Amino acid sequence: GENVEQHPSTLSVQEGDSAVIKCTYSDSASNYFPWYKQELGKGPQLIIDIRSNVGEKKDQRIAVTLNKTAKHFSLHITETQPEDSAVYFCAARVTGFQKLVFGTGTRLLVSP
Amino acid sequence: GAVVSQHPSWVICKSGTSVKIECRSLDFQATTMFWYRQFPKQSLMLMATSNEGSKATYEQGVEKDKFLINHASLTLSTLTVTSAHPEDSSFYICSARDNWAGGSTDTQYFGPGTRLTVL
Repeated sequence: GENVEQHPSTLSVQEGDSAVIKCTYSDSASNYFPWYKQELGKGPQLIIDIRSNVGEKKDQRIAVTLNKTAKHFSLHITETQPEDSAVYFCAARVTGFQKLVFGTGTRLLVSP
Repeated sequence: GAVVSQHPSWVICKSGTSVKIECRSLDFQATTMFWYRQFPKQSLMLMATSNEGSKATYEQGVEKDKFLINHASLTLSTLTVTSAHPEDSSFYICSARDNWAGGSTDTQYFGPGTRLTVL
């Protein structure tokens, strides 16, 4: 079955710096890759997603890139702010399957 | 974005009692809903997948007689923890997939979670 690895597990940056979180997946049949942000005590919130027919997608300070050949995708946050501090999860879904397979999460801390 | 609500947001119950958690998709119809459990500082653990009008599919190791799931409509799923014990204390999160109609986004959205504490 699909397996998703996520790195790093923790990431500390200064306010205004960029942050990059990387994920790799194992099943080349995966075609949908969402990213979720989870704040303490809350449910995950979808922040951006990308499908396998696209190499890059951007939404203001957030961008996701996908390399299907290498089977990895990354989340890029520019001009980080303290309110970006949270746990970020990547996920992948295989074509024809219902469930998402999640990475282990990255705890991002943005210091003022 | 689409909204998924969950009720209650927290519940405390005595050991041996049953607790029901509701999950609703507020502005879309969801053929498929999911229930997750999350322990502190860990990733999401899928418990079961439910499709509207049919029986839920449970992940390996999840007791279906203990965690009863009902998905009777395209906007509502419920999880009942039967005969709860302290080890069932956890953060339970539902999720709904916007996949009912043509033109749906096929995106999966999460509820805010329910903190269950069993005394």
